[in-house]
Amino acid sequence: DGGITQSPKYLFRKEGQNVTLSCEQNLNHDAMYWYRQDPGQGLRLIYYSQIVNDFQKGDIAEGYSVSREKKESFPLTVTSAQKNPTAFYLCASSTQGATEAFFGQGTRLTVV
Amino acid sequence: GENVEQHPSTLSVQEGDSAVIKCTYSDSASNYFPWYKQELGKRPQLIIDIRSNVGEKKDQRIAVTLNKTAKHFSLHITETQPEDSAVYFCAASIGGGSYIPTFGRGTSLIVHP
Repeated sequence: DGGITQSPKYLFRKEGQNVTLSCEQNLNHDAMYWYRQDPGQGLRLIYYSQIVNDFQKGDIAEGYSVSREKKESFPLTVTSAQKNPTAFYLCASSTQGATEAFFGQGTRLTVV
Repeated sequence: GENVEQHPSTLSVQEGDSAVIKCTYSDSASNYFPWYKQELGKRPQLIIDIRSNVGEKKDQRIAVTLNKTAKHFSLHITETQPEDSAVYFCAASIGGGSYIPTFGRGTSLIVHP
């Protein structure tokens, strides 16, 4: 399970609290992505970054924020503005160009 | 942006049968089409991919076909086994220096012994 690591595996938070999900990779990949997975919805893109200090919104960015201060790290913050944050979150990375994406093991966030 | 449709959402087969999952994409500039398998509680992992300059690719019991004109591609699994049971995702990405995979909604394949 080396390469790309997400932590924690399970996360519980109270409604109204911000929470940050960690994603670290040691694959020397330039591109990193955050996806949200809900039953029957597939993988929906939240944010992506193709280079350090630059990132772009995906299809469902509202209520989320990211940073890319280091090549290895791409943390995702789920803010209180996200109306339905309970979901399975997957981080992925890849080299530039059309190549395989490597996924972390995911973080299951439950907001109560 | 790209839009990927995947069908069926659920596929139930008997062990030894073949399974076919179909995807369509909207952007003719897409040139890379990977397929990922996600077993229960695990991360998606690449099982096969195809690029737009190729019409078919095989790897043992799995194969992928691509029809650029119709903008659809399919995953074929022959001689299915219970361990093939998983959720399968197709994806498409537009080339030109960036790789932003757009995924289909997934197909839950159930192989009955």
